[in-house]
Amino acid sequence: GESVGLHLPTLSVQEGDNSIINCAYSNSASDYFIWYKQESGKGPQFIIDIRSNMDKRQGQRVTVLLNKTVKHLSLQIAATQPGDSAVYFCAELRAGGTSYGKLTFGQGTILTVHP
Amino acid sequence: SQTIHQWPATLVQPVGSPLSLECTVEGTSNPNLYWYRQAAGRGLQLLFYSVGIGQISSEVPQNLSASRPQDRQFILSSKKLLLSDSGFYLCAWSAENTEAFFGQGTRLTVV
Repeated sequence: GESVGLHLPTLSVQEGDNSIINCAYSNSASDYFIWYKQESGKGPQFIIDIRSNMDKRQGQRVTVLLNKTVKHLSLQIAATQPGDSAVYFCAELRAGGTSYGKLTFGQGTILTVHP
Repeated sequence: SQTIHQWPATLVQPVGSPLSLECTVEGTSNPNLYWYRQAAGRGLQLLFYSVGIGQISSEVPQNLSASRPQDRQFILSSKKLLLSDSGFYLCAWSAENTEAFFGQGTRLTVV
C-alpha cells in the first residue's frame, strides 16, 4: 500500500525488556495474519501467525494479538535479546474472494535492542 | 523439504537495458508465488502474485511484468529499466492459506 514508501518507525529497548510492536491492517476481509522478521540484506523470515478466528496465539517468547474490531495486530516479544534486533513486518493474506492469495505487508518497525 | 531459489544475488544494469529475474521453488506443487520490491529502509511492495500457471495479478502499474511459464517458476521482467527500478527484489512462495517463504533477494542497481 502507500505506507511502503515511508521511513520505518523505530523501537529501542534494553536487553531483557519486553517489546511490543504494533500493526494496523487495512482489509477486514483478510483471513490470516503473519509476523515476519527481516535482518539486513536478507529475505523476511516467518515468526508467528494467527487466523482471523483467533484473538491470541503464543509461540516461544512471542505472542501475537489480533483485534478485528479495530483491525489491529501486535507482536509481543518477551525478554528481548540483541539477536532480536531487526525489522519486523506484519502481513495479511486474503484466503478467498477475488483477491485470493494476495499477501500484503504492513509498514514495518525497526527494533533495536541495547545490551 | 521445500526450497526457493532466486538469482542473481546482485545485479547492476544500465538504464534502458532489459531485466529478467528468475525464481524457482522445489519440493511443492502449485504454490502461490510472489514478487516484492523493497527500497532501502522501506517496506515490501507487492508487485505481482500468482495462484497458478497463467494466473498473474499485477498490483502496481509500472515498468515491470511477470510470467509463470512453469508451475514452480516465476520470472520478473522489464524491457527497459528505469533508475527508479533500483531496489531489493524478493520472490516468495506459499502453500494454500499458509505463510510465505522468501528467497534471499536480488539487489538491483540501475545506473
